[in-house]
Amino acid sequence: QVQLQESGPRLVKPSQTLSLTCTVSGGSITTAGSYWTWFRQSPEKGLEWIGYSHYTGRAFYNAALRSRAAISVDTSYNQFSLELTSVTAADTAVYYCAKYIEGLGWFDPWGQGTLVTVSS
Amino acid sequence: EIVLTQSPGTLSLSPGESATLSCRASQYGDKKYLAWYQQKPGQAPRLLIYGASNRAAGIPDRFSGSGSGTDFTLTISGLEPEDFAVYYCHLSTDYPTWTFGQGTKVEMK
Repeated sequence: QVQLQESGPRLVKPSQTLSLTCTVSGGSITTAGSYWTWFRQSPEKGLEWIGYSHYTGRAFYNAALRSRAAISVDTSYNQFSLELTSVTAADTAVYYCAKYIEGLGWFDPWGQGTLVTVSS
Repeated sequence: EIVLTQSPGTLSLSPGESATLSCRASQYGDKKYLAWYQQKPGQAPRLLIYGASNRAAGIPDRFSGSGSGTDFTLTISGLEPEDFAVYYCHLSTDYPTWTFGQGTKVEMK
């Protein structure tokens, strides 16, 4: 079965770019209809959908983050990534990756999550 | 912008009792896009219910979902010790963007 694992720096300085990678195992990132998703969770904002991308580059984003977020898919490494620019302390959160199938109504599976702290 | 309101915020119950959790949307949503998740401390959300009323693979039948339109319910019939957790709903009313509720914590009394 598909499993997801997040990786990346746990500490990012304010105004810099947060970069995370999610490695997909047990299945292909090019599986038909699959959209590769990022969420984040903080006590202040709860669970928040950041966006998702198909391996072809077709992507959708939360309107509140669209200007700063970018999700890309690397089929060579079966990975997808999140970049979030100009971070502030408000971007401190646990970041999760997950799989979505187009047209369906749920996200599954999820990665275990990684805490990213924005601080100087 | 859609708002999903989950109630109550906290439910204090004993093992064996039943729990009824509510998820109310500020605008109509297709129940196809309504799902419930369980989250335990330090873990990722786990899919329980999709399409408002369908149990995900491996989910015990004490978990059931219902509802349509703007009102959805998750029922846990006979709480087991492992069911004490936080439960979230999500919905898409302007597909393909997604909103989560703020969660209901089911705690042991």
